[in-house]
Amino acid sequence: DTAVSQTPKYLVTQMGNDKSIKCEQNLGHDTMYWYKQDSKKFLKIMFSYNNKELIINETVPNRFSPKSPDKAHLNLHINSLELGDSAVYFCASSPWTDRYGYTFGSGTRLTVV
Amino acid sequence: TQLLEQSPQFLSIQEGENLTVYCNSSSVFSSLQWYRQEPGEGPVLLVTVVTGGEVKKLKRLTFQFGDARKDSSLHITAAQPGDTGLYLCAGPRPNQAGTALIFGKGTTLSVSS
Repeated sequence: DTAVSQTPKYLVTQMGNDKSIKCEQNLGHDTMYWYKQDSKKFLKIMFSYNNKELIINETVPNRFSPKSPDKAHLNLHINSLELGDSAVYFCASSPWTDRYGYTFGSGTRLTVV
Repeated sequence: TQLLEQSPQFLSIQEGENLTVYCNSSSVFSSLQWYRQEPGEGPVLLVTVVTGGEVKKLKRLTFQFGDARKDSSLHITAAQPGDTGLYLCAGPRPNQAGTALIFGKGTTLSVSS
């Protein structure tokens, strides 16, 4: 019973392509996030949604477009992929408060060639 | 500018040794969290500290939140190979309630038998 599940786990694609990553949580959390982890393992917030509403857009290029059809799902679509987009992307969820931890998915390793 | 500075960046020790990793900031945090991340997986929450001076124990792991809520430490007693992983501290942006967690750059711990 995976709490936060992301698909796919691995994604290899050519520059210029468009791709999507899907995320679903079964924890009943109100808030979902996308984080990017670079090659040095630094985790950086990209987007945050609360109950389907965009809360944070952290100066991410507009080639990245999140979509939340309901509060259990948050997908990430990336247009015109670039080499620099190669990273591990993590979805996470939490209750709507600062003090509870996040539950992360196992990540999607995106490689742009 | 990195709001949360972690040290050391890398730590390689023998089984049975003790170690401490640090998470420091010049800003006051309402709470701090510690996560452990293993290869190919997402970070997993270990603990949340909320009150200045708070000490929490999780088996052989001891977490402390500084009195001024600007720093935290994680002490591991008698490290085991299973403790190997990336340790991340994280907290909500100071003075911005309801925002996503920001992360330190992590401490990579390797425990050999």
